[in-house]
Amino acid sequence: AQSVTQPDIHITVSEGASLELRCNYSYGATPYLFWYVQSPGQGLQLLLKYFSGDTLVQGIKGFEAEFKRSQSSFNLRKPSVHWSDAAEYFCAVATKTSYDKVIFGPGTSLSVIP
Amino acid sequence: DGGITQSPKYLFRKEGQNVTLSCEQNLNHDAMYWYRQDPGQGLRLIYYSQIVNDFQKGDIAEGYSVSREKKESFPLTVTSAQKNPTAFYLCASIRQPTSGGSTGELFFGEGSRLTVL
Repeated sequence: AQSVTQPDIHITVSEGASLELRCNYSYGATPYLFWYVQSPGQGLQLLLKYFSGDTLVQGIKGFEAEFKRSQSSFNLRKPSVHWSDAAEYFCAVATKTSYDKVIFGPGTSLSVIP
Repeated sequence: DGGITQSPKYLFRKEGQNVTLSCEQNLNHDAMYWYRQDPGQGLRLIYYSQIVNDFQKGDIAEGYSVSREKKESFPLTVTSAQKNPTAFYLCASIRQPTSGGSTGELFFGEGSRLTVL
C-alpha cells in the first residue's frame, strides 16, 4: 500500500537559518509528489509539485524540493527561513493511474525563533 | 477569482444533532473531497466525489453523509452517529487531468471547525 512518512513531527529553526523537511514515500512506481503548507486555522496551499523531468523543483516562497528515486524521498528545503514560514507542512503523493487518490503524510510543524 | 468556499468557519453542535458543512467551488473541477484533520494525525479522507450524483467512501466515512447534486457543491453532514465529531474539516477539489496526463493537485477551502458541546 502507498504511504508517506514525515519523520520529524516538529522542527524549530532560527530565523535566517536553512531548513530541510524530510519526506519518504512507499510506492512501486514513480508517483506525483507534492508539498503543501498550512497556516493555523487555514486550508492547505500548494508549495510545489513534481510530476516528471528535472528532479529539483522550485516552488513558491523560496522553497525547493528534490526528488531522489533511489531513496524514495522528496525533501523540502529553504536556504534562509523567515518568521512567516512558521506553519504545518504536509508531503503528499498521488499516482498517474489514481491521480485523485492523494495520500498525505502526518505533517511537520515548523517553529521559527526570531 | 476562482476558489473553494466553506461555511460556516466555526460551528458548535450539541450532542445528538446533525450538522451540515457547506462547500462550494467555482473552479469547474469535477472531483471534490472532504477531509478531517485532527492534531498530529494529518488529513484523513471522509468522502469524495468524482462526478455529479456519485460519491465514494473514504477511510473514515462512518457517521458522515454527503450529496453531490450539482458540480459546484459538495455538502457534508456530520450525523449524530459520529462519535467524536470535534475536528477541523477541509473541503478540496482536484484540477482536471490534462490531455495525456493527470495532476493530483488539490485546491483547498479555508476549513470549518466543528466543536461539540
